[in-house]
Amino acid sequence: DGGITQSPKYLFRKEGQNVTLSCEQNLNHDAMYWYRQDPGQGLRLIYYSQIVNDFQKGDIAEGYSVSREKKESFPLTVTSAQKNPTAFYLCASKSRFDRTVGYTFGSGTRLTVV
Amino acid sequence: AQKVTQAQTEISVVEKEDVTLDCVYETRDTTYYLFWYKQPPSGELVFLIRRNSFDEQNEISGRYSWNFQKSTSSFNFTITASQVVDSAVYFCALSEPLTQGGSEKLVFGKGTKLTVNP
Repeated sequence: DGGITQSPKYLFRKEGQNVTLSCEQNLNHDAMYWYRQDPGQGLRLIYYSQIVNDFQKGDIAEGYSVSREKKESFPLTVTSAQKNPTAFYLCASKSRFDRTVGYTFGSGTRLTVV
Repeated sequence: AQKVTQAQTEISVVEKEDVTLDCVYETRDTTYYLFWYKQPPSGELVFLIRRNSFDEQNEISGRYSWNFQKSTSSFNFTITASQVVDSAVYFCALSEPLTQGGSEKLVFGKGTKLTVNP
């Protein structure tokens, strides 16, 4: 079945460490997105990529980095520069030019700084 | 910039009650799409509905119905005869075109947490 796989489900990070969250899709979608969710908040866009080897900053990109070397994969690195990284991270994908469909979301990664 | 407001932070009802979740949006686009997503405790966002700005017909799907009113920029969601399994956080979202590349992003409201008690 087609879908998006995020791993790991739970991740613990020590202060000062970089960590990478994985996002893989087999939907043949061009566009991929990373959102951050904090308690009582909506989802905020971190980074997005519309084609391979290209990506753009979203609304809250500081302290994060991404790569898009393959169509299927869009990993997110949370760097030590991110001052408050504890949050729920959701990856999504969609067909690039089709505005009629919604996003397909992964099941999320819950990151906690210890 | 686009904005989505879900004024109800939390709603608690008793099973079998009807409940309406409000969503008000702001956009300068003439063509746009509105969405509702459900987020159960497991965390994954589940797509419920999309509505384009040219179609103001209300939609019903089982116990769910949606009322889109362009004149008031609202896209409200009603659950009829609520059940415990409906307990979740519900998000309303609006599509916003990205300046480059032809794609778009979703702008989300802050969500409404619905608790249905037995």
